[in-house]
Amino acid sequence: EVQLVESGGGLGQPGGSLRLSCVASGFTFSSYTMNWVRQAPGKGLEWISCISSSGSTTHYADSVKGRFTISRDNAKNSLSLQMDSLRAEDTAVYYCARDKYGYSSTDYWGQGTLVTVSS
Amino acid sequence: DIQMTQSPSSLSASVGDRVTITCRASRDISSSLAWYQQKPEKAPKSLIYAASTLESGVPSRFSGSGSGTDFTLTISSLQPEDFATYYCQQHSAYPLTFGGGTKLEIK
Repeated sequence: EVQLVESGGGLGQPGGSLRLSCVASGFTFSSYTMNWVRQAPGKGLEWISCISSSGSTTHYADSVKGRFTISRDNAKNSLSLQMDSLRAEDTAVYYCARDKYGYSSTDYWGQGTLVTVSS
Repeated sequence: DIQMTQSPSSLSASVGDRVTITCRASRDISSSLAWYQQKPEKAPKSLIYAASTLESGVPSRFSGSGSGTDFTLTISSLQPEDFATYYCQQHSAYPLTFGGGTKLEIK
């Protein structure tokens, strides 16, 4: 059974940093592109970043480019999102999601972790 | 960036109704369109990818169609568990982008 479990959410200060993690199980993690998608309270879904299976290629939404860094450790089946220069508008539930193999849609999602940016 | 426009933003319907949600892309995305269902306080669930291919385990009352810029999600006979919010997403080019969502409510 595919499982994605996020952690690391919580309260962050404006201008501060947080690091999110996602641990994967039930599939060959090193074979899949992985994504982060967020959802602000009461709002829709926003894709923010992805990383290729090897980690060699990354993509970011303009809203987080230069502030967030996606990475992965295939030996530990782990995906991370380093969030720097946090802003109030980064407040959201952050989901880790697996790419559907051969496509760029997502087929499995974690349960999400809430990030709140406030002083 | 490719803009995705969904309509309607909300919809009231009854159990047994046939409903259609539309999604329009700001440029040609071929068949690179996915649909997701989200229930309150839950993670999204993938329903359809490549415009018309159902994910494993998704009931056959769900169907997707379209190509280019115009797409539809149809639920042939609404069931109580189908009341949720639905999102389209283009998976043609980065940044991936979602539609604004359609909230399907019980009439």
